[in-house]
Amino acid sequence: TQLLEQSPQFLSIQEGENLTVYCNSSSVFSSLQWYRQEPGEGPVLLVTVVTGGEVKKLKRLTFQFGDARKDSSLHITAAQPGDTGLYLCAGDGGSNYKLTFGKGTLLTVNP
Amino acid sequence: GAGVSQSPSNKVTEKGKDVELRCDPISGHTALYWYRQSLGQGLEFLIYFQGNSAPDKSGLPSDRFSAERTGGSVSTLTIQRTQQEDSAVYLCASSTHGGLPDTQYFGPGTRLTVL
Repeated sequence: TQLLEQSPQFLSIQEGENLTVYCNSSSVFSSLQWYRQEPGEGPVLLVTVVTGGEVKKLKRLTFQFGDARKDSSLHITAAQPGDTGLYLCAGDGGSNYKLTFGKGTLLTVNP
Repeated sequence: GAGVSQSPSNKVTEKGKDVELRCDPISGHTALYWYRQSLGQGLEFLIYFQGNSAPDKSGLPSDRFSAERTGGSVSTLTIQRTQQEDSAVYLCASSTHGGLPDTQYFGPGTRLTVL
């Protein structure tokens, strides 16, 4: 079973601060996705990374896939209250359609 | 356009009762997934439907759980003789063709509480 460990589990910061959350595994993934989930809603896909060493930017969010395709990070610059939510990483779970999810990082950005 | 919808949004039931949860995927999506999200846990894969192929039921936790997809569209997840450990949010997702890294679109979930 391929496991994804996310850290930190909880993060509470002030508006304007920068933060990084991590997604680590001992397994290699062909692709890795990041989702954000808000209370009462389903996860929404933010980005998919498929190439080792790849860096993708989405406004203030920067996603990186490790060179060995075993880990990923999400960096948020100048966090805003609207960034509050549960951030989940997910990788292909040993099949071409099944996703394995981490337990998530619950981010709170205080105004 | 319409996204994935699920009903009911909340379900409270007594231990031992059967429950049915419904998912309406995005029109035209051939792949449909069910996940379970428990407090403090990540999303746990339950079952996958793709077109007319036999579903992948490998994630169903026990034989009390079953799911069907009628006409390649609507899906129903049934839990028989519910137990307290079945309490969770049940999420449905659909995607265009099912192969990764295809985008999965999630519904809002059904929160199931078993008393």
